[in-house]
Amino acid sequence: LAKTTQPISMDSYEGQEVNITCSHNNIATNDYITWYQQFPSQGPRFIIQGYKTKVTNEVASLFIPADRKSSTLSLPRVSLSDTAVYYCLVGDGTGGFKTIFGAGTRLFVKA
Amino acid sequence: GAGVSQSPSNKVTEKGKDVELRCDPISGHTALYWYRQRLGQGLEFLIYFQGNSAPDKSGLPSDRFSAERTGESVSTLTIQRTQQEDSAVYLCASSLPGTKSSYEQYFGPGTRLTVT
Repeated sequence: LAKTTQPISMDSYEGQEVNITCSHNNIATNDYITWYQQFPSQGPRFIIQGYKTKVTNEVASLFIPADRKSSTLSLPRVSLSDTAVYYCLVGDGTGGFKTIFGAGTRLFVKA
Repeated sequence: GAGVSQSPSNKVTEKGKDVELRCDPISGHTALYWYRQRLGQGLEFLIYFQGNSAPDKSGLPSDRFSAERTGESVSTLTIQRTQQEDSAVYLCASSLPGTKSSYEQYFGPGTRLTVT
């Protein structure tokens, strides 16, 4: 089954760019890569999704290399309110709809 | 429009009792997921519903856990004979159908279950 690996935690300062990488070596051909943000006592919130190359929205950018075995979430100019847990999400490797959340990366933004 | 709602928001129960958790998905979202999140942990897939297709129950941890969904609307997750290790936040999410859309899930606020 597909498995994702992310750093457990990261620290940053306000105004810096933060890059969080997720590895997903067994990603299936039809899997999309999706990132979520979760604040304490809340459900995860969708941030961005991609299949290959680069995707950018008003919140973040997502970089996916050609082999799609990893992806990098880029948060530009983080603020204190970006302190949260970030999850990458892929399918279970069978091409079905079972979704596998990784353990998440705890980002702590300091003033 | 309205988001995913879950009830109750908090539930405290005694070991051995049965509990029922409810999820109301976003209207028009035919896909519905249940997850379990233990304190400080990631999300653990439990079950997936898509329209009238047979649900994917592969994540249910034991036969004490079951879930139902009425058509494309409300879903209930039932835990029988609760154990202390069932204490967790149970999250429900819904999405539009399709591979791409199924990964863009909208989550409810969760039900915090405490088994004493």
